[in-house]
Amino acid sequence: AQSVAQPEDQVNVAEGNPLTVKCTYSVSGNPYLFWYVQYPNRGLQFLLKYITGDNLVKGSYGFEAEFNKSQTSFHLKKPSALVSDSALYFCAVRDREGGATNKLIFGTGTLLAVQP
Amino acid sequence: AAGVIQSPRHLIKEKRETATLKCYPIPRHDTVYWYQQGPGQDPQFLISFYEKMQSDKGSIPDRFSAQQFSDYHSELNMSSLELGDSALYFCASRVRGGMNTEAFFGQGTRLTVV
Repeated sequence: AQSVAQPEDQVNVAEGNPLTVKCTYSVSGNPYLFWYVQYPNRGLQFLLKYITGDNLVKGSYGFEAEFNKSQTSFHLKKPSALVSDSALYFCAVRDREGGATNKLIFGTGTLLAVQP
Repeated sequence: AAGVIQSPRHLIKEKRETATLKCYPIPRHDTVYWYQQGPGQDPQFLISFYEKMQSDKGSIPDRFSAQQFSDYHSELNMSSLELGDSALYFCASRVRGGMNTEAFFGQGTRLTVV
């Protein structure tokens, strides 16, 4: 069965410091991988995705993520955190197989708190 | 750019009542997903539609039903509401035929059952 793990419920980082939000996945084959961000009482906003090719993908708002097949990880990173980055971050996977309508499976979310 | 529109944004219902949530996907998106997010929880997949046909079913209670109409908008119908149905309900849409395309989410409908 497909699953996504985000081992940290919360990540605290000082503004200006680099941040990492961890994600590991368990799925057969090679999945598509995504990061979404959710601000309070808002919908999920797409940040970035890994489809194929370069293991380092760049997304919105200066975020990037590194795909590591051997470790089945897709950690989200940003070189310099902003207070406005404080939000709930979800990692998600979607199976490549089975057709174009496959659903997203989400991790449990990581609350990122950036202190000024 | 047009986004996924959900209505209403907030809904308060009493136990055993019915509710209808609506979702208007991004133009030319043919796939719609419904998710339920309880307080402090990750979004849980309920059901999806592709070209107006149900394509996948998740943890959707039998009391709920959904459909996608000819204009691609979708409605989630919820009957015999229970307190535990209180949650944020998201709709997402994706572009036609794209295996590697991302889903775009609406702002959600916050349902409170009292």
